[in-house]
Amino acid sequence: DAMVIQNPRYQVTQFGKPVTLSCSQTLNHNVMYWYQQKSSQAPKLLFHYYDKDFNNEADTPDNFQSRRPNTSFCFLDIRSPGLGDAAMYLCATSRDLGGQGSYEQYFGPGTRLTVT
Amino acid sequence: AQKITQTQPGMFVQEKEAVTLDCTYDTSDPSYGLFWYKQPSSGEMIFLIYQGSYDQQNATEGRYSLNFQKARKSANLVISASQLGDSAMYFCAMREVLYGNNRLAFGKGNQVVVIP
Repeated sequence: DAMVIQNPRYQVTQFGKPVTLSCSQTLNHNVMYWYQQKSSQAPKLLFHYYDKDFNNEADTPDNFQSRRPNTSFCFLDIRSPGLGDAAMYLCATSRDLGGQGSYEQYFGPGTRLTVT
Repeated sequence: AQKITQTQPGMFVQEKEAVTLDCTYDTSDPSYGLFWYKQPSSGEMIFLIYQGSYDQQNATEGRYSLNFQKARKSANLVISASQLGDSAMYFCAMREVLYGNNRLAFGKGNQVVVIP
């Protein structure tokens, strides 16, 4: 089945130690998104790739970076995690070729990050 | 300004009963889309139903239906014949276009607990 995969599902990192979360998709979608979701809150968009074009949200801290080496993979790098970065990180994809369409986003299962 | 409003407190629903989750939205764009996602305690976001702003009929998907009232800018989700597995957080979201890219704006969510 075509899907969005996130690894690992649970990640524990130390304060200030760089960490990378990964997302892969078999849907061949051209857009990939990274969201941060803290407990009992709505997902917050960090950034997204429209094809190879990187789109950063204005309020995303510089501590968060992303890479998309090819259509299938996208990485979230947190350069120096703080305690406030503990959250669920959700990856999503969509097919957006312009014109009319629902542009539904398909989400992965998420990576729950703990910072100690 | 908040674009998606979900204000209901946590809800308890009797199994096999129907439940309505409220969602109001704000946009000046004539072309938009509305989504409902389900997020169980495991964390993944599961797409439930979509309504386009130009769709003439209310969307339905199995036990899910969307009560779309365009003039009131509301898009309520109705879950019929509730099941224990429906216990989850439910998010209403609106597709918006920013700098030419489609993005989702999420509401704060509604917590639903189905009781036997």
